[in-house]
Amino acid sequence: GIQVEQSPPDLILQEGANSTLRCNFSDSVNNLQWFHQNPWGQLINLFYIPSGTKQNGRLSATTVATERYSLLYISSSQTTDSGVYFCAVLFSGNTPLVFGKGTRLSVIA
Amino acid sequence: DTEVTQTPKHLVMGMTNKKSLKCEQHMGHRAMYWYKQKAKKPPELMFVYSYEKLSINESVPSRFSPECPNSSLLNLHLHALQPEDSALYLCATRRTGDSSPLHFGNGTRLTVT
Repeated sequence: GIQVEQSPPDLILQEGANSTLRCNFSDSVNNLQWFHQNPWGQLINLFYIPSGTKQNGRLSATTVATERYSLLYISSSQTTDSGVYFCAVLFSGNTPLVFGKGTRLSVIA
Repeated sequence: DTEVTQTPKHLVMGMTNKKSLKCEQHMGHRAMYWYKQKAKKPPELMFVYSYEKLSINESVPSRFSPECPNSSLLNLHLHALQPEDSALYLCATRRTGDSSPLHFGNGTRLTVT
């Protein structure tokens, strides 16, 4: 069936460290988004990236659609980066967006 | 994404109450969504409206009743809820007809007592 798997499930970083979050998906995609959910529950769009590479400040993302994975890079992490990072995928056909289970990130000062 | 506004931010209701959640957008998007999110879980899709018509109902109990009165508004009417319905309720919108990104509101945190 349709699956979106994220790894690692939990991650603890020292402030200033770099990290890579991974999203694997089971079929070809029309849309892939990375979200950050902060401790107050706000879901913030980070990237809309069905393919290719994008960068926004300390964050960047790469999706290799042919190999069915996407990576989110966080460099020089800050305590405000803490929260849950979700990958969400719109597969081909008329299917709703499918969320992965998320990566829970804690950045410690 | 502040372009999708949800009210109220917090709601506490008893099991016999009737209340409504409201979502408003002025992005011109014609697809609107309700999601439910429990603690430490990803959002779960409840309903999808496309051009103000209900297109997807993910087998949601009838105590949740969605309504889309116009292209800018989406409501979720609540009646006879259970304590297990306590959750964060998120509204989202996007353009139809292509694979455009989903934009979320800030959510309503609902507690059923």
